[in-house]
Amino acid sequence: EAGVTQFPSHSVIEKGQTVTLRCDPISGHDNLYWYRRVMGKEIKFLLHFVKESKQDESGMPNNRFLAERTGGTYSTLKVQPAELEDSGVYFCASSQDTSVYNEQFFGPGTRLTVL
Amino acid sequence: AQTVTQSQPEMSVQEAETVTLSCTYDTSESDYYLFWYKQPPSRQMILVIRQEAYKQQNATENRFSVNFQKAAKSFSLKISDSQLGDAAMYFCAYRSAQRSYQKVTFGTGTKLQVIP
Repeated sequence: EAGVTQFPSHSVIEKGQTVTLRCDPISGHDNLYWYRRVMGKEIKFLLHFVKESKQDESGMPNNRFLAERTGGTYSTLKVQPAELEDSGVYFCASSQDTSVYNEQFFGPGTRLTVL
Repeated sequence: AQTVTQSQPEMSVQEAETVTLSCTYDTSESDYYLFWYKQPPSRQMILVIRQEAYKQQNATENRFSVNFQKAAKSFSLKISDSQLGDAAMYFCAYRSAQRSYQKVTFGTGTKLQVIP
């Protein structure tokens, strides 16, 4: 079974540009999560989709970040315009459902560098 | 809000020896999950071990075990018979048991080096 995949693995852009990150969850997983780790700090939650709906977007830092999950399959996270402090590793995770305990499986992350 | 603290940015252990990674957390909830995740260099994060807060018995997974002290809000990870493949970043993490709160709260991580 294929795991969570993310594209691209690395992205280097200049301040003010736009970047779109993609996450493909494990097939059949209704829940999809985005997290971010800024250099040297903890991994922080950004948001949680259940299918195509945003269940919790309390971690989104500001309106320069837009997450979508059309059709409830893959998700994109767009940063527009990118700022220097957006640099970090963006992780995606997916889980099957929210009943009782369900493990979140993480992707390898996308390393974003904003110059 | 919940917080997770890992006070050891880096640790090292001799191959075949035992090492303990520390973690403390803060929460007002009574029911929750605690995790240790491992992220090897350039690879994705995987779950090492999980502990349910309502269980008094410490979780064990082969060479990995935890010391869960609920009253002290402490959750340390012990790795026995350390192997070269254990070298990685280890993250302690917390998640509420409430269905509506699925986000995981992570610590800053401990980088473990295994010396041959």
